[in-house]
Amino acid sequence: GAGVSQSPSNKVTEKGKDVELRCDPISGHTALYWYRQSLGQGLEFLIYFQGNSAPDKSGLPSDRFSAERTGGSVSTLTIQRTQQEDSAVYLCASRDRGNTGELFFGEGSRLTVL
Amino acid sequence: SQQGEEDPQALSIQEGENATMNCSYKTSINNLQWYRQNSGRGLVHLILIRSNEREKHSGRLRVTLDTSKKSSSLLITASRAADTASYFCATAASKGTASKLTFGTGTRLQVTL
Repeated sequence: GAGVSQSPSNKVTEKGKDVELRCDPISGHTALYWYRQSLGQGLEFLIYFQGNSAPDKSGLPSDRFSAERTGGSVSTLTIQRTQQEDSAVYLCASRDRGNTGELFFGEGSRLTVL
Repeated sequence: SQQGEEDPQALSIQEGENATMNCSYKTSINNLQWYRQNSGRGLVHLILIRSNEREKHSGRLRVTLDTSKKSSSLLITASRAADTASYFCATAASKGTASKLTFGTGTRLQVTL
């Protein structure tokens, strides 16, 4: 596609439920990032994938959070047993070859945990 | 912890005025980037400045970088109402996890008619 696509754009769930957020990066981009942004705050790094290398998971806040990237393209961020503090906008971004260039962001998935 | 801290947190100006936002960071960087975000959704890349550059221009945007002070500034000249948004600086570290782009806390800019 022309840009980074994320789904769902909005998700409301009950505390304790599992959720999956999907990111479809720009075709050919080798790097993929997940960030989290709470209301009125900056972006918090979650996880980074680069090609076939082991992902950088250093930003995942707890073991309830996991992410995978299948076939070097689509990525899914899974949050198990959601808590109210997980409510945020989850942003995905991709980047072309090279490790210091600009990121292209999707519109984000707004998660609300009741 | 956040690598970058923007200052001010919020800025309100009238259309036609210039807006200046500042960013400070903590560690050595490979480059520094500025992004814009409308309405809390996706971010859009504005400009990238490398660690060996001191100033860069793009249209009405002017970015400066002072690596000795670990700071950068973004100047938007002749502002327009459409420039109303949040602006974030982001840094790519020069060593270690250079691939990870770390974002600051943002400056919320309001341009009024």
